[in-house]
Amino acid sequence: AQSVAQPEDQVNVAEGNPLTVKCTYSVSGNPYLFWYVQYPNRGLQFLLKYITGDNLVKGSYGFEAEFNKSQTSFHLKKPSALVSDSALYFCAVRDDAGGTSYGKLTFGQGTILTVHP
Amino acid sequence: EAGVVQSPRYKIIEKKQPVAFWCNPISGHNTLYWYLQNLGQGPELLIRYENEEAVDDSQLPKDRFSAERLKGVDSTLKIQPAELGDSAVYLCASSSWTSGDNEQFFGPGTRLTVL
Repeated sequence: AQSVAQPEDQVNVAEGNPLTVKCTYSVSGNPYLFWYVQYPNRGLQFLLKYITGDNLVKGSYGFEAEFNKSQTSFHLKKPSALVSDSALYFCAVRDDAGGTSYGKLTFGQGTILTVHP
Repeated sequence: EAGVVQSPRYKIIEKKQPVAFWCNPISGHNTLYWYLQNLGQGPELLIRYENEEAVDDSQLPKDRFSAERLKGVDSTLKIQPAELGDSAVYLCASSSWTSGDNEQFFGPGTRLTVL
């Protein structure tokens, strides 16, 4: 069974500083990894994904994520945080092992990012 | 292009009452998902449809939950009777295999409060 862990419930960073939101995963096959952001009373918005190719993936709003196969990690990063980045961030892994659960996303518990002015 | 539409956005009911949620996916998306999101947690899949067929409903509590997608477009998720523990956000998502990577697009959700 696949799983995702986001070890930090909260991340606090000052505006202008770099930010990292951590994610580790466990899958039986090839990892297909995603980051989503959720603002209050809103649905999840897609940020970026890793399917194959370069380990550094660039996404929306200046975010990027680094895939590390040996450490089974997919940390979300941004060089310079904005106050407007404050939100709830979810890492997810997609099941591509086949069967009825094919395509199913398994989400982490989420990390609250707070960027202070 | 319109996104995934859900209604109602908020619903407050008393326990033991029935409730239904509606979802209209992005046009052309053949796959539709219903997720349950409890406060402070990540979404958990309830059911997945490929067109009108429910291909994964293993996590749907079938004693009180039901879903349908009769024409392979809109979908309805029903709870009857609702329990206090059903208070949560119910998210609908859709995707299309033609995009090649099955990225899921989420609606705003329906926040259910059971009193």
